[in-house]
Amino acid sequence: DIQLTQSPSFLSASVGDRVTITCRATQDIRSYLAWYQQKSGTAPKLLIYAATTLQNGVPSRFSGSGSRTEFTLTISSVQPEDVATYYCQHLNSSPFTFGPGTKVDI
Amino acid sequence: EVQLVQSGAEVKKPGESLKISCKGSGYAFGTYWIGWVRQMPGKDLEWLGIIYPDDSDTIYSPSFQGQVTISADRSISTAYLQWSTLKASDTAIYYCARHLRRGGDFYGIDVWGQGTTVTVSS
Repeated sequence: DIQLTQSPSFLSASVGDRVTITCRATQDIRSYLAWYQQKSGTAPKLLIYAATTLQNGVPSRFSGSGSRTEFTLTISSVQPEDVATYYCQHLNSSPFTFGPGTKVDI
Repeated sequence: EVQLVQSGAEVKKPGESLKISCKGSGYAFGTYWIGWVRQMPGKDLEWLGIIYPDDSDTIYSPSFQGQVTISADRSISTAYLQWSTLKASDTAIYYCARHLRRGGDFYGIDVWGQGTTVTVSS
């Protein structure tokens, strides 16, 4: 199975900071990577799919980049409402595993 | 509005069976792959598997194959996750999840249910 790692596992930022989270895959997953935001006590929400495509309704401060084995999620100017855990998921081949998550605090 | 609405919280004893449900609305239920994701208390997300309701084609994660059964009834737009023998380690929140697929490839989970909490304790 393809495994995903994320770094950092936790970060603390100030409002307005640029925040970058990295997701690495153990094999080439082309661009079949999605990013999710999960706020405490709620279901995850899709932010980015196909590595770089912003899901409808997601603020433009979120962006994704990367391909093959290394990907990043960037929040250009972090806001208080961005406090959450962020997960990557690959969809290259079953099983569609998730990364271990990055907790973002403000 | 596209929605997935899951059945309510369950408290069961080890060894009991259970079937939880997820009803879709606002879209053509049969033509989207729908699956299940587990989140154990304080832990990460785990992908269990998916089903295509129109023909019941099912893909399981090897880690969950044989441990759970995924099914769907397209006539009532409902997907199910079932256990025949529950264990304490099945305690978790289970989310149903509509998978975005285009041109034969999967791209992400674009719609999530609200989650069903399953507690297994003697």
